[in-house]
Amino acid sequence: DTGVSQDPRHKITKRGQNVTFRCDPISEHNRLYWYRQTLGQGPEFLTYFQNEAQLEKSRLLSDRFSAERPKGSFSTLEIQRTEQGDSAMYLCASSFGQGPYGYTFGSGTRLTVV
Amino acid sequence: SQKIEQNSEALNIQEGKTATLTCNYTNYSPAYLQWYRQDPGRGPVFLLLIRENEKEKRKERLKVTFDTTLKQSLFHITASQPADSATYLCALTSGSSNTGKLIFGQGTTLQVKP
Repeated sequence: DTGVSQDPRHKITKRGQNVTFRCDPISEHNRLYWYRQTLGQGPEFLTYFQNEAQLEKSRLLSDRFSAERPKGSFSTLEIQRTEQGDSAMYLCASSFGQGPYGYTFGSGTRLTVV
Repeated sequence: SQKIEQNSEALNIQEGKTATLTCNYTNYSPAYLQWYRQDPGRGPVFLLLIRENEKEKRKERLKVTFDTTLKQSLFHITASQPADSATYLCALTSGSSNTGKLIFGQGTTLQVKP
């Protein structure tokens, strides 16, 4: 592993469509985070996985958002019935263990809802 | 309410000078604070982490200070280079968090002119 991979890099979708993003973290990292970032702002926390368990979700994560991390490996973030306000960069990050370590972020998926 | 504030105005400095970026926070008791660099269209890259009981941390041309009384962190880049031009994000983890999630400031854009 050389880093965190995210796919796709860019996604343009029509309002009302469903989209799914994938994140492949560094293999030995047990912690995985999803963040959302809009222009001129810092990343906002969406959800956190420790191994396969989703342990925290932000109030930003409406019912239209769902995330999974089967078998504690890759993770997917799905947005149903997309809205224009969902347009943002979706970032995945992973880290190791219980200690305070810096995250490794992926390059993100840029979502544009038209 | 909880806030993390970074100077939203871009910082423009001349090559060779020291850049100093500020991160202030309110209503948090962070266990540790991190600094990240972000280039346009890319995910943040971890630079430095400093714990609440540490006053200062250095890494090559980078130096971070952490004053829990003032609720402030300063990030210094000495002998700045045009390649240091980027957006710099501070992020903290609350002492009460057991997920390690980071709360980010909005970032400060640094422009180093040759």
